[in-house]
Amino acid sequence: AQSVAQPEDQVNVAEGNPLTVKCTYSVSGNPYLFWYVQYPNRGLQFLLKYITGDNLVKGSYGFEAEFNKSQTSFHLKKPSALVSDSALYFCAVRDMSPSGTYKYIFGTGTRLKVLA
Amino acid sequence: DGGITQSPKYLFRKEGQNVTLSCEQNLNHDAMYWYRQDPGQGLRLIYYSQIVNDFQKGDIAEGYSVSREKKESFPLTVTSAQKNPTAFYLCASSMASYRLAKNIQYFGAGTRLSVL
Repeated sequence: AQSVAQPEDQVNVAEGNPLTVKCTYSVSGNPYLFWYVQYPNRGLQFLLKYITGDNLVKGSYGFEAEFNKSQTSFHLKKPSALVSDSALYFCAVRDMSPSGTYKYIFGTGTRLKVLA
Repeated sequence: DGGITQSPKYLFRKEGQNVTLSCEQNLNHDAMYWYRQDPGQGLRLIYYSQIVNDFQKGDIAEGYSVSREKKESFPLTVTSAQKNPTAFYLCASSMASYRLAKNIQYFGAGTRLSVL
Protein backbone atom coordinates (compact mmCIF):
# COMPACT_ATOMS: atom_id res chain seq x y z
CA ALA A 1 0.00 0.00 0.00
CA GLN A 2 1.04 3.56 -0.59
CA SER A 3 2.07 5.76 2.31
CA VAL A 4 3.58 9.12 3.12
CA ALA A 5 5.55 10.21 6.16
CA GLN A 6 6.06 13.68 7.54
CA PRO A 7 8.90 13.29 10.01
CA GLU A 8 8.52 16.68 11.70
CA ASP A 9 5.53 17.56 13.86
CA GLN A 10 6.53 21.22 13.85
CA VAL A 11 8.89 23.47 11.94
CA ASN A 12 9.85 26.93 13.16
CA VAL A 13 11.39 29.48 10.82
CA ALA A 14 12.06 33.20 11.00
CA GLU A 15 10.16 35.48 8.65
CA GLY A 16 12.12 36.09 5.47
CA ASN A 17 14.12 32.88 5.78
CA PRO A 18 13.65 29.91 3.45
CA LEU A 19 11.43 27.12 4.69
CA THR A 20 11.29 23.39 4.04
CA VAL A 21 8.60 20.97 5.14
CA LYS A 22 9.63 17.36 4.60
CA CYS A 23 7.67 14.48 3.11
CA THR A 24 8.82 11.01 2.11
CA TYR A 25 6.72 8.47 0.30
CA SER A 26 6.44 4.76 -0.31
CA VAL A 27 4.60 3.67 -3.43
CA SER A 28 4.48 0.89 -5.95
CA GLY A 29 4.45 2.31 -9.44
CA ASN A 30 4.40 5.98 -10.33
CA PRO A 31 3.67 8.32 -7.42
CA TYR A 32 0.96 10.97 -7.56
CA LEU A 33 1.84 13.38 -4.75
CA PHE A 34 0.08 16.41 -3.31
CA TRP A 35 0.55 19.16 -0.75
CA TYR A 36 -2.34 20.79 1.10
CA VAL A 37 -2.48 23.55 3.72
CA GLN A 38 -4.96 23.90 6.56
CA TYR A 39 -5.66 27.07 8.52
CA PRO A 40 -7.28 26.82 11.98
CA ASN A 41 -10.81 25.36 11.97
CA ARG A 42 -10.91 25.25 8.19
CA GLY A 43 -10.79 22.65 5.48
CA LEU A 44 -7.67 21.84 3.49
CA GLN A 45 -6.60 23.91 0.50
CA PHE A 46 -4.65 22.49 -2.43
CA LEU A 47 -1.13 23.89 -2.89
CA LEU A 48 0.50 21.79 -5.61
CA LYS A 49 0.83 18.34 -7.09
CA TYR A 50 3.33 16.10 -8.85
CA ILE A 51 1.98 13.77 -11.50
CA THR A 52 4.79 13.57 -14.01
CA GLY A 53 7.35 15.82 -15.70
CA ASP A 54 9.63 18.38 -14.07
CA ASN A 55 10.91 17.50 -10.65
CA LEU A 56 10.39 21.05 -9.40
CA VAL A 57 6.70 21.81 -9.10
CA LYS A 58 5.43 25.33 -8.53
CA GLY A 59 2.21 25.96 -6.67
CA SER A 60 0.09 28.55 -4.94
CA TYR A 61 1.29 31.38 -2.66
CA GLY A 62 4.93 31.08 -3.81
CA PHE A 63 5.33 27.48 -2.64
CA GLU A 64 7.19 24.85 -4.63
CA ALA A 65 8.09 21.23 -4.09
CA GLU A 66 10.97 19.12 -5.26
CA PHE A 67 10.31 15.55 -6.31
CA ASN A 68 13.32 13.29 -5.73
CA LYS A 69 12.82 9.75 -6.94
CA SER A 70 16.08 8.34 -5.58
CA GLN A 71 15.36 9.66 -2.10
CA THR A 72 11.60 9.05 -2.37
CA SER A 73 10.96 12.56 -1.13
CA PHE A 74 8.63 15.42 -2.02
CA HIS A 75 9.68 18.31 0.21
CA LEU A 76 7.71 21.55 0.25
CA LYS A 77 9.76 24.73 0.00
CA LYS A 78 9.44 28.49 -0.09
CA PRO A 79 12.35 30.91 -0.60
CA SER A 80 11.12 33.53 1.88
CA ALA A 81 8.63 32.69 4.64
CA LEU A 82 5.79 34.97 5.69
CA VAL A 83 4.05 35.05 9.07
CA SER A 84 0.82 34.33 7.18
CA ASP A 85 2.31 30.99 6.04
CA SER A 86 1.88 29.68 9.58
CA ALA A 87 -0.51 26.74 9.25
CA LEU A 88 -0.73 22.95 9.20
CA TYR A 89 0.67 21.32 6.06
CA PHE A 90 -0.24 17.88 4.76
CA CYS A 91 1.48 15.71 2.21
CA ALA A 92 -0.71 13.15 0.40
CA VAL A 93 -0.38 10.34 -2.11
CA ARG A 94 -3.05 8.89 -4.35
CA ASP A 95 -3.70 5.20 -3.86
CA MET A 96 -5.73 2.63 -5.72
CA SER A 97 -8.02 0.38 -3.72
CA PRO A 98 -8.50 -3.35 -4.53
CA SER A 99 -11.78 -2.44 -6.23
CA GLY A 100 -9.92 -0.18 -8.68
CA THR A 101 -11.16 3.08 -7.24
CA TYR A 102 -8.88 5.87 -6.09
CA LYS A 103 -8.42 7.31 -2.64
CA TYR A 104 -5.86 9.54 -0.95
CA ILE A 105 -3.48 8.76 1.89
CA PHE A 106 -2.48 11.75 4.03
CA GLY A 107 0.53 12.25 6.24
CA THR A 108 0.13 13.23 9.88
CA GLY A 109 0.76 16.89 9.14
CA THR A 110 3.52 19.38 9.98
CA ARG A 111 2.74 22.57 11.83
CA LEU A 112 4.69 25.48 10.40
CA LYS A 113 5.31 28.51 12.62
CA VAL A 114 6.85 31.56 11.03
CA LEU A 115 8.22 33.93 13.64
CA ALA A 116 8.23 37.68 13.10
CA ASP B 1 -13.46 26.28 0.72
CA GLY B 2 -14.71 26.10 -2.86
CA GLY B 3 -18.17 24.84 -3.65
CA ILE B 4 -18.47 22.36 -0.80
CA THR B 5 -20.79 23.12 2.09
CA GLN B 6 -20.68 21.23 5.34
CA SER B 7 -23.27 21.68 8.03
CA PRO B 8 -23.57 22.19 10.86
CA LYS B 9 -20.28 23.79 11.83
CA TYR B 10 -20.60 22.46 15.39
CA LEU B 11 -22.57 19.43 16.51
CA PHE B 12 -23.15 17.80 19.87
CA ARG B 13 -24.09 14.19 20.34
CA LYS B 14 -25.78 12.64 23.33
CA GLU B 15 -25.09 9.11 24.55
CA GLY B 16 -26.72 6.51 22.29
CA GLN B 17 -27.72 9.03 19.67
CA ASN B 18 -27.12 8.90 15.92
CA VAL B 19 -26.19 12.19 14.28
CA THR B 20 -25.90 13.09 10.60
CA LEU B 21 -23.36 15.46 9.08
CA SER B 22 -24.32 17.10 5.83
CA CYS B 23 -22.03 17.58 2.81
CA GLU B 24 -23.21 19.22 -0.42
CA GLN B 25 -21.13 20.19 -3.45
CA ASN B 26 -21.96 22.23 -6.53
CA LEU B 27 -18.72 21.47 -8.39
CA ASN B 28 -20.26 18.66 -10.49
CA HIS B 29 -17.68 16.28 -9.02
CA ASP B 30 -18.17 12.56 -9.29
CA ALA B 31 -16.13 11.51 -6.25
CA MET B 32 -16.77 12.45 -2.62
CA TYR B 33 -14.91 11.59 0.58
CA TRP B 34 -15.29 11.76 4.35
CA TYR B 35 -12.29 12.16 6.64
CA ARG B 36 -11.86 12.28 10.37
CA GLN B 37 -9.15 14.54 11.79
CA ASP B 38 -7.72 14.03 15.26
CA PRO B 39 -4.76 15.94 16.70
CA GLY B 40 -1.46 14.35 15.73
CA GLN B 41 -3.09 11.73 13.50
CA GLY B 42 -3.68 13.65 10.34
CA LEU B 43 -6.66 12.76 8.17
CA ARG B 44 -8.11 9.28 8.19
CA LEU B 45 -10.51 8.12 5.49
CA ILE B 46 -13.94 6.99 6.69
CA TYR B 47 -15.90 6.41 3.45
CA TYR B 48 -15.62 7.44 -0.16
CA SER B 49 -17.83 7.31 -3.23
CA GLN B 50 -16.87 7.47 -6.89
CA ILE B 51 -20.39 7.47 -8.33
CA VAL B 52 -24.00 7.78 -7.24
CA ASN B 53 -25.42 4.78 -5.35
CA ASP B 54 -21.97 3.34 -4.73
CA PHE B 55 -19.47 3.84 -1.90
CA GLN B 56 -16.52 2.08 -0.30
CA LYS B 57 -15.28 1.78 3.25
CA GLY B 58 -12.13 3.63 4.13
CA ASP B 59 -9.71 2.84 6.92
CA ILE B 60 -12.00 3.62 9.88
CA ALA B 61 -15.56 2.93 8.70
CA GLU B 62 -16.76 1.15 11.84
CA GLY B 63 -19.49 3.10 13.62
CA TYR B 64 -20.23 5.26 10.56
CA SER B 65 -22.63 5.01 7.62
CA VAL B 66 -23.12 6.99 4.41
CA SER B 67 -25.44 7.25 1.44
CA ARG B 68 -24.98 8.67 -2.05
CA GLU B 69 -28.44 9.08 -3.55
CA LYS B 70 -27.53 12.26 -5.42
CA LYS B 71 -24.32 13.37 -7.07
CA GLU B 72 -24.30 16.57 -5.03
CA SER B 73 -24.81 15.05 -1.60
CA PHE B 74 -22.86 12.64 0.60
CA PRO B 75 -24.19 12.68 4.19
CA LEU B 76 -22.32 10.91 6.98
CA THR B 77 -24.11 9.36 9.95
CA VAL B 78 -22.17 8.84 13.14
CA THR B 79 -23.96 5.99 14.88
CA SER B 80 -24.10 5.11 18.55
CA ALA B 81 -21.68 2.29 17.75
CA GLN B 82 -18.90 4.86 17.32
CA LYS B 83 -17.65 5.08 20.88
CA ASN B 84 -15.21 7.92 20.39
CA PRO B 85 -16.83 10.30 17.92
CA THR B 86 -15.28 13.56 19.13
CA ALA B 87 -13.28 14.88 16.18
CA PHE B 88 -13.20 17.31 13.28
CA TYR B 89 -14.91 15.86 10.22
CA LEU B 90 -13.98 16.94 6.72
CA CYS B 91 -15.80 16.27 3.49
CA ALA B 92 -14.03 16.51 0.14
CA SER B 93 -14.80 16.01 -3.53
CA SER B 94 -12.85 15.53 -6.74
CA MET B 95 -13.42 14.85 -10.39
CA ALA B 96 -13.63 11.28 -11.65
CA SER B 97 -10.51 9.27 -10.99
CA TYR B 98 -9.67 8.74 -14.66
CA ARG B 99 -9.10 12.49 -15.14
CA LEU B 100 -5.62 12.50 -13.69
CA ALA B 101 -4.70 16.11 -14.36
CA LYS B 102 -7.79 17.39 -12.59
CA ASN B 103 -7.63 15.01 -9.73
CA ILE B 104 -7.18 17.34 -6.76
CA GLN B 105 -9.51 17.34 -3.80
CA TYR B 106 -11.62 20.28 -2.69
CA PHE B 107 -12.54 20.41 0.98
CA GLY B 108 -15.41 21.79 2.98
CA ALA B 109 -14.88 23.91 6.11
CA GLY B 110 -15.53 20.95 8.41
CA THR B 111 -17.87 19.95 11.22
CA ARG B 112 -16.64 19.71 14.79
CA LEU B 113 -18.46 16.96 16.64
CA SER B 114 -18.42 16.74 20.42
CA VAL B 115 -20.03 14.35 22.87
CA LEU B 116 -22.22 15.74 25.66
